[in-house]
Amino acid sequence: DAGVTQTPRHEVAEKGQTIILKCEPVSGHNDLFWYRQTKIQGLELLSYFRSKSLMEDGGAFKDRFKAEMLNSSFSTLKIQPTEPKDSAVYLCASSYDWGGAYEQYFGPGTRLTVL
Amino acid sequence: GQGVEQPAKLMSVEGTFARVNCTYSTSGFNGLSWYQQREGQAPVFLSYVVLDGLKDSGHFSTFLSRSNGYSYLLLTELQIKDSASYLCAVRIDTNAYKVIFGKGTHLHVLP
Repeated sequence: DAGVTQTPRHEVAEKGQTIILKCEPVSGHNDLFWYRQTKIQGLELLSYFRSKSLMEDGGAFKDRFKAEMLNSSFSTLKIQPTEPKDSAVYLCASSYDWGGAYEQYFGPGTRLTVL
Repeated sequence: GQGVEQPAKLMSVEGTFARVNCTYSTSGFNGLSWYQQREGQAPVFLSYVVLDGLKDSGHFSTFLSRSNGYSYLLLTELQIKDSASYLCAVRIDTNAYKVIFGKGTHLHVLP
């Protein structure tokens, strides 16, 4: 089984640009998460989908961050406009909540640098 | 406020053991997970506990005390490749997104 895939692995953007990050979750998983990871803040939740429906949009990140899930096997995260403080690793994770041990499967991440 | 705390760094010696601590203060508790994250890679699930006590999984063991808001991950017979960050994550209720991650403990295993 393929794990979570993310593209691109690295992205460099100028301040003010629009960038789109992509994620393909594990087949059969119905939960999908977008996180931002920095050394200072750790993992911060940006968005959460259950069965393609947006359940949580990360509050403070609503302004310039928009995640979409067009079908059960593909999600995008758009950042518009980018700012230097957005430089971080963006992780996508998927899971299936069967009521027991809840394991999130993470993708390799996209390292974003905003100049 | 709610939080999950972990020491930032830990050092230990190859062949010995390391205990990675996690303390939490949350409005609810619906399980605690541990993840390993190597430099430049994605977090990988190691263990999940929801009941008090020690869960022995060989190289990794996990302890939980819900009354004290405390867990630890115990790594035995350390190898150099165990050098990584270890993240503690507390699920605070049945909503899947309500998981609070600690910032991770970077374990450095010395030869």
